[in-house]
Amino acid sequence: EIVMTQSPATLSVSPGERATLSCRASQNVISNLAWYQQKPGQAPRLLIYGASTRATGIPARFSGSGSGTEFTLTISSLQSEDFAVYYCQQYSKWPPITFGQGTRLEIK
Amino acid sequence: QVQLVESGGGVVQPGGSLRLSCAASGFTFSTYGMHWVRQAPGKGLEWVTFIGYDGSDKYYTDSVKGRFTISRDNSKHTLYLQMNGLRAEDTAVYYCAKNPPYSRGYHFDYWGQGTLVTVSS
Repeated sequence: EIVMTQSPATLSVSPGERATLSCRASQNVISNLAWYQQKPGQAPRLLIYGASTRATGIPARFSGSGSGTEFTLTISSLQSEDFAVYYCQQYSKWPPITFGQGTRLEIK
Repeated sequence: QVQLVESGGGVVQPGGSLRLSCAASGFTFSTYGMHWVRQAPGKGLEWVTFIGYDGSDKYYTDSVKGRFTISRDNSKHTLYLQMNGLRAEDTAVYYCAKNPPYSRGYHFDYWGQGTLVTVSS
C-alpha cells in the first residue's frame, strides 16, 4: 500500500498571501495524484488531477506541481473561501486508492 | 449537471446490515466507474470500493472485503453498497463518487453529499 503523508498538519496564512501545501508518497506515483478541498459539513471537491491539471471550474490561483514522490499544492493569493482542509490522493498503484491525512488551512 | 444522491444510512447494531444507494443523474451513468469513499467522524477520507462501468470489475479495501458488496443497476442509474457484519469502526459518512473518464485515471471528479452510517449498540 502506498502511504501518503501531508505536511504541515495545520497551516496558518493571512488572506491575500500564498499557501504551499506538501504531499509525499512512499513510492513513485508518477503524476497520478489528485488534490481535494473539503469545507466543514460538505463533500470534498476535486481541485487538481494528474498532479497539475486543474479540474473544471477551479480558479487559476490553485496550482499543482511535482512528480514521483513529492508534490505541492499552491494557492497563490488566499481568499476567505479557501480556508478548508486539503487532501492529496494517489491512484498510481491500487487497490487501495490512498489519501493523505489532510492539511487544515486556517486564517492567521 | 452531475448529481449524486446517497440514501440508506442510519443507526445499526454491530453485526447488522445496511444497504446504501446512490442515485445518479446528469451524466451517462453506464459509461463511468463509480466509488464509495467514507469519512469517520472528525477523520480523513478512506476509499472503500470501486466498480467498473459495466459492473465487471470490483475492488475493495482490505478492511471491508468479504463484508461489503458494491453493485450497480445501469438501467436505474443507481449505485449500491451492501454492508454486512457491520462494526463500530465502519461508522462514517459514506460518499458515492464518480470516476472521470478512465484516460484521466482513477480519482473522484464528483461527489454526493454523503449518508451517515452509525454502528452502535
